[in-house]
Amino acid sequence: QLQLQESGPGLVKPSETLSLTCTVSGGSFSSRSYYWGWIRQPPGKGLEWIGSIYYSGNTYHNPSLKSRVTISIDTSKNQFSLKVISVTAADTAVYYCARGANVGYCSGGICYNYNWFDPWGQGTLVTVSS
Amino acid sequence: DIQMTQSPSSLSASVGARVTITCRASQDISNALAWYQLKSKKAPKLLLYGASRLGSGVPSRFSGSGSGTDYTLTISSLQPEDFATYYCQQYYITPLTFGGGTKVEIK
Repeated sequence: QLQLQESGPGLVKPSETLSLTCTVSGGSFSSRSYYWGWIRQPPGKGLEWIGSIYYSGNTYHNPSLKSRVTISIDTSKNQFSLKVISVTAADTAVYYCARGANVGYCSGGICYNYNWFDPWGQGTLVTVSS
Repeated sequence: DIQMTQSPSSLSASVGARVTITCRASQDISNALAWYQLKSKKAPKLLLYGASRLGSGVPSRFSGSGSGTDYTLTISSLQPEDFATYYCQQYYITPLTFGGGTKVEIK
């Protein structure tokens, strides 16, 4: 059974970089049928898609965060990672990693019929505070 | 970006009740809609994709319907383990967007 687990610091100072890793176990990580995604949920708010990465390294991000976000993948370790630079209190959230089912069609930086997410990790709370 | 509007934002219902949650997209999403169940400190769970296709291992009391811009999640007979928050998500086009959530509480 595929499992995902987020790891990383739970506290980050304002203006610094948030770094998280998702470790995938129990299934194929380099399948061409899936993406790997990051989603976050600020306290008391809804879900926000951050971005997704393919096994080849192709990534697609939410434009609202794109300039501050880097998603990378290490197929040798069955891991993918998230970095968010210049964080503020607004980046405080539970961060989830998930497998993105459905590859869709991507062109010009936009993807169509793209990912739904299954399964998800349990999530990790990252607080931005001095 | 496609805006997803869920209603109601919360509801109270008894065990055994039939519950319906609605999700409206700001444009036609051609059934590219998923539903998730979220519980505190647990991994979110996919319930449905393609508007009406059950996720793996999801009980048949969950069903989905709709087309165009309007979609519905129905729980035919609410069970104690179903008290949670439910979110819809469109995957028709990036950026992927979610509804604001519906919290289902015990009456």
